[in-house]
Amino acid sequence: DVKVTQSSRYLVKRTGEKVFLECVQDMDHENMFWYRQDPGLGLRLIYFSYDVKMKEKGDIPEGYSVSREKKERFSLILESASTNQTSMYLCASSFTQGIDNSPLHFGNGTRLTVT
Amino acid sequence: AQKITQTQPGMFVQEKEAVTLDCTYDTSDPSYGLFWYKQPSSGEMIFLIYQGSYDQQNATEGRYSLNFQKARKSANLVISASQLGDSAMYFCAMRDSGGFKTIFGAGTRLFVKA
Repeated sequence: DVKVTQSSRYLVKRTGEKVFLECVQDMDHENMFWYRQDPGLGLRLIYFSYDVKMKEKGDIPEGYSVSREKKERFSLILESASTNQTSMYLCASSFTQGIDNSPLHFGNGTRLTVT
Repeated sequence: AQKITQTQPGMFVQEKEAVTLDCTYDTSDPSYGLFWYKQPSSGEMIFLIYQGSYDQQNATEGRYSLNFQKARKSANLVISASQLGDSAMYFCAMRDSGGFKTIFGAGTRLFVKA
């Protein structure tokens, strides 16, 4: 079974802090993604990566950056946390692109609260 | 721009009955894939079923089936014989042929009553 592990289940940070969310997958997937989930808005893509050191902006990249130094690890960075970044963050990975039936495999999420 | 619309914020169904969760989508890409995911209260996202835009038959996986109407751009999830464990949030999602991005709808929360 594919395992996607997010380092923290819950995080509480102060406004202005630099925050790191870590995600590791163990199935040698090329693609990794960061989404945020908010009630009534579903999941929105922040950033994704299709290879080591490669990254692409998603739909809501402002205020975030990412790092992918190793294939199995994809980090989301909040350079200066703000209260509007309080949310559930979901990491996902997938095997390949395109219209094949390869689904996303998700971690259990990190609920971040910025005070 | 691509878009997924789920118009039912919440749904109730009696145990053992069937329920349909609505999903409409918008894309100009002729090739795309449609997915449904389940999110129980524990928070994990579970893949349920996939439908490709060129698939001739509606997808089925156990108690889950997808009512795919391409001309209407709808991909409704049908859950037969509902169980209490089906109570969860359900998300419709789409990925096009050109990219890596999967976009999601706002979700439908399903409540199964005993």
